[in-house]
Amino acid sequence: GDSVTQMEGPVTLSEEAFLTINCTYTATGYPSLFWYVQYPGEGLQLLLKATKADDKGSNKGFEATYRKETTSFHLEKGSVQVSDSAVYFCALSDWSNDYKLSFGAGTTVTVRA
Amino acid sequence: DAGVIQSPRHEVTEMGQEVTLRCKPISGHDYLFWYRQTMMRGLELLIYFNNNVPIDDSGMPEDRFSAKMPNASFSTLKIQPSEPRDSAVYFCASSSPTFAREKLFFGSGTQLSVL
Repeated sequence: GDSVTQMEGPVTLSEEAFLTINCTYTATGYPSLFWYVQYPGEGLQLLLKATKADDKGSNKGFEATYRKETTSFHLEKGSVQVSDSAVYFCALSDWSNDYKLSFGAGTTVTVRA
Repeated sequence: DAGVIQSPRHEVTEMGQEVTLRCKPISGHDYLFWYRQTMMRGLELLIYFNNNVPIDDSGMPEDRFSAKMPNASFSTLKIQPSEPRDSAVYFCASSSPTFAREKLFFGSGTQLSVL
């Protein structure tokens, strides 16, 4: 079945550091890929998405590129802020799972001033 | 615009008691999802509705769990009887016809503690 594997956290960074969160996937078909973010005390919200190979999703300074050859969708941000402290979830949606979102385990990121 | 509204925010109950969680989706959204989040299992989809009709309840853990959506603006998730292993954060999410099951708008969750 479809699945998403994220790098384990927690990740602790200093402000202005570079952030990478690795995500790889297994899917039957040709999935759409997503990053969701959960800020403390809140529900998840969509951060960015990509629907086909080599697409780059971007939002709020975050980027992720759909790499079909490596089945990856790594999240990156060049200079993090304290306000980026959150839990980040990689997810996929595929026809074989009725287009329901399958989430990774989440990666907790803490940015220190 | 109001987002997805869940109540209560926190619920503490004793084992064996009935628990009812409530959700009001965003107006105009026709998909509604119930998720459970735990440290051990992460985020699990319990059930989802489309146009108030349950479409997939394969994630509901057992018969103690039930969900209803009597109209487009209200849904409940009920656990009867509750057990300590049900302790988790329960999220409700909704989605519009445009984004279907991909762009979900989540509520702030209900933190359930079963003692």
